[in-house]
Amino acid sequence: NAGVTQTPKFQVLKTGQSMTLQCAQDMNHNSMYWYRQDPGMGLRLIYYSASEGTTDKGEVPNGYNVSRLNKREFSLRLESAAPSQTSVYFCATSGQTYGYTFGSGTRLTVV
Amino acid sequence: AQSVTQLGSHVSVSEGALVLLRCNYSSSVPPYLFWYVQYPNQGLQLLLKYTTGATLVKGINGFEAEFKKSETSFHLTKPSAHMSDAAEYFCAVRFPGKASGSARQLTFGSGTQLTVLP
Repeated sequence: NAGVTQTPKFQVLKTGQSMTLQCAQDMNHNSMYWYRQDPGMGLRLIYYSASEGTTDKGEVPNGYNVSRLNKREFSLRLESAAPSQTSVYFCATSGQTYGYTFGSGTRLTVV
Repeated sequence: AQSVTQLGSHVSVSEGALVLLRCNYSSSVPPYLFWYVQYPNQGLQLLLKYTTGATLVKGINGFEAEFKKSETSFHLTKPSAHMSDAAEYFCAVRFPGKASGSARQLTFGSGTQLTVLP
């Protein structure tokens, strides 16, 4: 089925550990996004990529890095995890029809 | 500053009653507007969107929304609530910007949790 695939679905990290969240899409969309969702705050944009080879900061980029590996894949890396990064992370893509398609999310807990 | 406001973080309605979820935005130029639904432990699913044209937009599952420029609003309604409508609903806005990837960014409201009572 066409869509956005995120891995892993769940992760527990210790403070200071690093990890990479993976996102792959098969919709042939140029734009990809990483959001975090926290209770009462909606979704906040971390980073986005307008096209292969480009990335830009969103609203809350501190503590994160991204890589747009190719048109299909957009990864999010936490170099040194902190408890404040406990959240649900969503990857999304958009094409020409303005709406986003979301992955099912990664639930990250930093202890 | 451009922003999206959803009035009411929690809304409860009885099954069969009208559902009204409110969304207002701040922008001097009409944006593109969206409503998404999120069921527990799932991603967000597009309910409906307004880009141009008719201001009353119909979406999936019997939901509709009306874009009112004078009120800078895009409220979501459903005439008769069903138990399966219980979920969190997000209003999102794509503010006008440069013709680049940045212009496709969506700004989300803080969400409204809808509870449907039997």
